[in-house]
Amino acid sequence: GEDVEQSLFLSVREGDSSVINCTYTDSSSTYLYWYKQEPGAGLQLLTYIFSNMDMKQDQRLTVLLNKKDKHLSLRIADTQTGDSAIYFCAHGEGYQKVTFGTGTKLQVIP
Amino acid sequence: DAMVIQNPRYQVTQFGKPVTLSCSQTLNHNVMYWYQQKSSQAPKLLFHYYDKDFNNEADTPDNFQSRRPNTSFCFLDIRSPGLGDTAMYLCATGTGQNTEAFFGQGTRLTVV
Repeated sequence: GEDVEQSLFLSVREGDSSVINCTYTDSSSTYLYWYKQEPGAGLQLLTYIFSNMDMKQDQRLTVLLNKKDKHLSLRIADTQTGDSAIYFCAHGEGYQKVTFGTGTKLQVIP
Repeated sequence: DAMVIQNPRYQVTQFGKPVTLSCSQTLNHNVMYWYQQKSSQAPKLLFHYYDKDFNNEADTPDNFQSRRPNTSFCFLDIRSPGLGDTAMYLCATGTGQNTEAFFGQGTRLTVV
């Protein structure tokens, strides 16, 4: 299977919370990331978490890391229509290589 | 202001006709990356430069090459594009101190 797996699609109503999940296989990664890609644009780093952390909160974003299960999640509180995009989970060890998941397309319904 | 700029945004080329994609950065970053992203797939690293040191991923096709004449510019050369090379090509930069990568908007390449 793929090194980093994500569900392909998530639909939520505006104002609700979104939870995007990711599982990975490489336990040696130091950093785990969430990137956002809007239509026709490059990837934008949203947030990242060190592998020795369980949780990181940044305004509306909460990242949870379960190292035992190799599971990473991104929670977006009070989801807005501007949050509609593709969200990529990724992991890396140093600067040499970052491995991306296939992305989850988030659709926010007004 | 855009910090990683890719040109062109869209490129159509014929099967087998060499094509060059360009990337420039104003961030003065040491590291520059080229990723290939096919439709509905994860971005896949092709190669990266740390300054002038070139690092090729093991599964990058031989007809993909790169040049970095100076800190600001990096080029992706596809010598003989095939139909399977149709994809979005993403350039990114990094400091090498941490692993945040700054991406350009990408070049969408179509091989016909």
